Order: sequence, then structure tokens, then C-alpha cells
Amino acid sequence: GAGVSQSPSNKVTEKGKDVELRCDPISGHTALYWYRQSLGQGLEFLIYFQGNSAPDKSGLPSDRFSAERTGGSVSTLTIQRTQQEDSAVYLCASSPTSGSWYEQFFGPGTRLTVL
Amino acid sequence: QKEVEQNSGPLSVPEGAIASLNCTYSDRGSQSFFWYRQYSGKSPELIMFIYSNGDKEDGRFTAQLNKASQYVSLLIRDSQPSDSATYLCAAPRYSGGGADGLTFGKGTHLIIQP
Repeated sequence: GAGVSQSPSNKVTEKGKDVELRCDPISGHTALYWYRQSLGQGLEFLIYFQGNSAPDKSGLPSDRFSAERTGGSVSTLTIQRTQQEDSAVYLCASSPTSGSWYEQFFGPGTRLTVL
Repeated sequence: QKEVEQNSGPLSVPEGAIASLNCTYSDRGSQSFFWYRQYSGKSPELIMFIYSNGDKEDGRFTAQLNKASQYVSLLIRDSQPSDSATYLCAAPRYSGGGADGLTFGKGTHLIIQP
């Protein structure tokens, strides 16, 4: 079956521009996660959705970052007024539901480069 | 802040030998742990999940968990060049609503020398 998909796979943008990253989870998975992986850094948790609800947005690095999920499926991560430090690979993952015991399946990621 | 710590390596192991990867964690309440493998330029994929003290074996892979000492390890027997990758240790993170994601270590870069 289809895995997690993300688009675009690569995005180059100029500092100050807004970008939108998309994630399509595995069909039927109610939990969706966004992470960021910078060069030489580990995976950094950004936000989690159970259904369309994000209970805790404190993992987002700044108020320039926002995320939404509609129809319990597709999610978008929006970065406003991009900065060079936003350059990273943004990974989306999904799992059947939330909890400590469920594998998260990762998408291929979006590589964001801010010039 | 709850932490998951790993030695970044690189860890170089000859082909056919046992590779031992270690991870420590700060949150005594952590109940489950995940080992993900990440090839260069690819996304992480789960290889082992453990939640009970002791050993869990799956093919050439064995995960070991010691909750009293707060460490979890991954052993790879009969290492192959295809095992060369970065191995990420992860534990669930918790907010008021329960588990809401994973806290990852920075990963150990493993190199299997032919």
C-alpha cells in the first residue's frame, strides 16, 4: 500500500518568503507528526495531530511556524518569513493512533533551502 | 528537558563482527524505546521496538533494555556492509494529553568495513 508522501521533495526559497509543506499520511492513520532534521542535528519534534487537533504547539520553533490538518488526512506546515536557520529536512510521519506503542512511519521528507 | 543520548561515532566494525550501539535516557518514566535506521539521504525506518527489561531478538538484531540503569542498546550480529547507516534511538515524549511524538537521540553513524 501507499506510504507517507510529502511534497515538494525539494524547495529553494529566498529569505523572507513564505513556504508551505504538505504531508499525506498513510490512509487510516489518525496520528500525524512533523519533525525537522538539520545538518548534524538529530530529529527535532515540531508538532503532533490526533485527528485534526494539535493539543500542544510548544514544539514549533517560533510563531512563524504553523500547521494544520484537515479531514483527518492531509497536513500542511507553513513557515512565514523564512530565515536561513529554517533550512533543514522536514519529515512527516504517521501512525495508526497516538500512544507509546505505535510505530511511526516516515515520509521521504522535504528538503528546504533558504537562500 | 527529557534527553536521549547517543555517541555520534563513527563506529567502525569489520564485516561479520558484532556491532554494539548504545543509548541512555533521562526520563525514568519512559516505557518504550525505538531503534530507527537511517541511510544517508533517506528517511528513518523502524528496525526494533522494546518495552520490557531484557533482550528482544529479531533476526540479526537484538535490542536490550535496562530500565534501572536507563540504557537501551542495539546489537547487530554478523554485520554486513548494508548495515552501514545512522542508527537513531528514540523514546516517546509526553504532554498533558499523553504520548505525542518521539524524542530522538542524534544518532550513531555505523560503518561496516568489508
